[in-house]
Amino acid sequence: DVVMTQTPVSLSLAIGQPASISCKSSQSLLGTSGKTFLNWILQRPGQSPKRLIYQVSKLYSEVPDRFSGSGSETEFTLKISRVEAEDLGVYYCWQGTHFPHTFGSGTKLEIK
Amino acid sequence: QVKLLQSGAALVKPGDSVKMSCKASGYTFTDYIIHWVKQSHGKSLEWIGYINPYSGGTNYNEKFKSKATLTVDKSSSTAYMEFSRLTSEDSAIYYCARAAQDWGQGVMVTVSS
Repeated sequence: DVVMTQTPVSLSLAIGQPASISCKSSQSLLGTSGKTFLNWILQRPGQSPKRLIYQVSKLYSEVPDRFSGSGSETEFTLKISRVEAEDLGVYYCWQGTHFPHTFGSGTKLEIK
Repeated sequence: QVKLLQSGAALVKPGDSVKMSCKASGYTFTDYIIHWVKQSHGKSLEWIGYINPYSGGTNYNEKFKSKATLTVDKSSSTAYMEFSRLTSEDSAIYYCARAAQDWGQGVMVTVSS
């Protein structure tokens, strides 16, 4: 199975600070279709996960543009340009290129 | 808007089975696969498998292949997951998700005698 390694485990940031979360995969996530199925989701406390980014860098329409995704092959990054209070929760990367699909262990973002 | 409404919490005995539902609305049910994901208490997420509502085709995580059965009822736009031979390790929240996009609210399953 593809192992997804997320760092850091947790972040504690003040509102307005930037955030960066790394996700590394044990195999390349570039699929035979030429697409890379790397997603980012956010799970706020007590809630189900919500979509953020798909195919590495594509934001869903409702996601604020302070979020961005980048990377290729085995190394990926989620960035928040300026953290806001509503951004707290656990961020997961999720690969859908290889079976079984696998998730990172999560990065908990706390607001100072 | 897109909604995935999951069935209520379940308390089941070891060795029993549980069948949970995921009713979709706000989109064409047969256009998107439905994933099922397990979240053990305070832990990360595990992919159980997915079903294609159009064809009924499935793809399972080997870890759950003998445990989970995914089905759909196209007439009611509902996906189902049956989990069998339950043990305490199966106590978790189970989510359905439309493609990699929209998630249900989750079903808490507690396995206890």
